[in-house]
Order: sequence, then structure tokens, then C-alpha cells
Amino acid sequence: KQEVTQIPAALSVPEGENLVLNCSFTDSAIYNLQWFRQDPGKGLTSLLLIQSSQREQTSGRLNASLDKSSGRSTLYIAASQPGDSATYLCAVSTYKYIFGTGTRLKVLA
Amino acid sequence: SQTIHQWPATLVQPVGSPLSLECTVEGTSNPNLYWYRQAAGRGLQLLFYSVGIGQISSEVPQNLSASRPQDRQFILSSKKLLLSDSGFYLCAWSPEEAGGRETQYFGPGTRLLVL
Repeated sequence: KQEVTQIPAALSVPEGENLVLNCSFTDSAIYNLQWFRQDPGKGLTSLLLIQSSQREQTSGRLNASLDKSSGRSTLYIAASQPGDSATYLCAVSTYKYIFGTGTRLKVLA
Repeated sequence: SQTIHQWPATLVQPVGSPLSLECTVEGTSNPNLYWYRQAAGRGLQLLFYSVGIGQISSEVPQNLSASRPQDRQFILSSKKLLLSDSGFYLCAWSPEEAGGRETQYFGPGTRLLVL
């Protein structure tokens, strides 16, 4: 049974710091891994999608990596800003998405 | 472009009352449709998914049911709500041929509080 774990559960950093969010999964037989952002009381916004054949994806200040063999992914956020404050969820896909419980990020001005 | 709508945005219902949440998708045909629930302090849990009209797969046994009366309409229902049904309900869609290989697009969600 696929399980997805995200560490840390919560993170508070000063503005401008670079930070790394971690995601691990137990079954490497996935189609893709995706990182989402969720603002309080809102739906999910897709940030980065990494296909199983890819190692990383980049979008602006965000970089996500995928190591299928070890069952790990990281989301790197460069030069964090208060607007980055949100919950970040990773999800792995077979025929459906299995989500982690998220990392709640707060960037302090 | 494709858009996904959910309503209502917020709902407060007494225990034992019925429930109907609606999700519609515009700008695409034959989408795969999904209902998720996010309980307080927990991750998103897939409740139902559908690959076509009248085709519903249930992921977990529960007090809820889903229906797909039209290609781009997905409805989540209950005959009698329980306190444990409280949560944030999200509808999502993915392209017909995705089979899990492409992203899912999420609606704005419905916050349900059962008292």
C-alpha cells in the first residue's frame, strides 16, 4: 500500500531564506509526483509535475527533484517571500493520487 | 480554457440531514472526475472517481455516494450525515486519457460542517 510522508509538518522561516521541503513514498511504481500549494480554505494549485522518467522540474524560484529508487522528492524554494506562506502537499500517482499530509510553511517578513 | 466549479462553498448541516454537493467542469469532454475529502489535520483522501457517465468507483467504505448524471457533472451525496462527514470536499478532473499520468485540476472546494 502506497504511503506518502512529508517532513517537516510545519516550518517557519525568515524572509529571504532558501528552504527544502521533503516528501517520501513507499512504492516506487508511480507515474508521476506532483507538488501542490494550498492556501487556507482554498483548493489546490499545481506547482510542479515530475514524470517518473524525469529527475527534476523547475518553475521560477521552485525546483522539485525526484529519486524514484529511494522514494524521495524535495521541493526547493529559493529566496522565500511572505507570499509563499501556505501548505505544500506532495502527491504520487498510479491510477490515482495519494497525498501526503503536507508541510505548513510560514515565511516571516 | 477549462474551469471547474463547486458549490456550495460552505455548508452547515445537522446530523441526519441529506447532502448534495455538485461539481461541474467546463471546456473539456470525457474528463476523469474525482471527489476528495480533507479532514482537519489529515491529508486528502480519495473518496470516488469516475471515468465516464454512470461509472463510479469507490475507494473507501463510507456514508457517502457519488453519481455522474452528465459527462461534466459529478455529485456527492449522503442520505443521512454523520458528525464524521465534516471536512473540506474537493472535486478534481484530469484529461480522459490521463490514467494517472497527468495532473489533476482541483476545484475551490466545499467546507462542510455537520453539527
